[in-house]
Amino acid sequence: AQTVTQSQPEMSVQEAETVTLSCTYDTSESDYYLFWYKQPPSRQMILVIRQEAYKQQNATENRFSVNFQKAAKSFSLKISDSQLGDAAMYFCAYRGTSYDKVIFGPGTSLSVIP
Amino acid sequence: NAGVTQTPKFRILKIGQSMTLQCTQDMNHNYMYWYRQDPGMGLKLIYYSVGAGITDKGEVPNGYNVSRSTTEDFPLRLELAAPSQTSVYFCASRRQTALENTIYFGEGSWLTVV
Repeated sequence: AQTVTQSQPEMSVQEAETVTLSCTYDTSESDYYLFWYKQPPSRQMILVIRQEAYKQQNATENRFSVNFQKAAKSFSLKISDSQLGDAAMYFCAYRGTSYDKVIFGPGTSLSVIP
Repeated sequence: NAGVTQTPKFRILKIGQSMTLQCTQDMNHNYMYWYRQDPGMGLKLIYYSVGAGITDKGEVPNGYNVSRSTTEDFPLRLELAAPSQTSVYFCASRRQTALENTIYFGEGSWLTVV
């Protein structure tokens, strides 16, 4: 079975600085999708960025980028120029191409210090 | 589009009572999911469905039942509510195509069992 691990329950970053959130996963599939979701206090789940495993190029969305290391099964999220609105829970998620389930990691709570 | 709509938003149940959390989506998505999120924890998959008439268990299905009589609706039934089912419940949906990776979440249903 697939698993997703986030080893940092809590992180903090100074406003305007850069922070990296870690995610590792375990799978026997060769093709799959990885996601980072943001969950603010309102509890809405907001898609931040996604990565297809068959793509070697790391995904980037404005201030958000990923470092995808397929061999190491690692998928970290880098937030540049952190803003107060980035404070939230961040979840890493996995979806295989031969499975229909979407599996989430336990989450990392990010605080942004003014 | 309304997206994914969950009702009720808040509910208090007594131990042993039953209730149904409603979920409907208007995006003609084949895949639908129910997750629970305990305080400070990640999302755990309860049940999911790949289309009308088809449902399957997720990571934590015990104490729950689902049905999928239409593409739009995916209700979650709690039988004999227990305090361990106190949680926030999220319904989600997505398209069936491999290229469509966005998962659309509802706003969540806060359930307390006392």
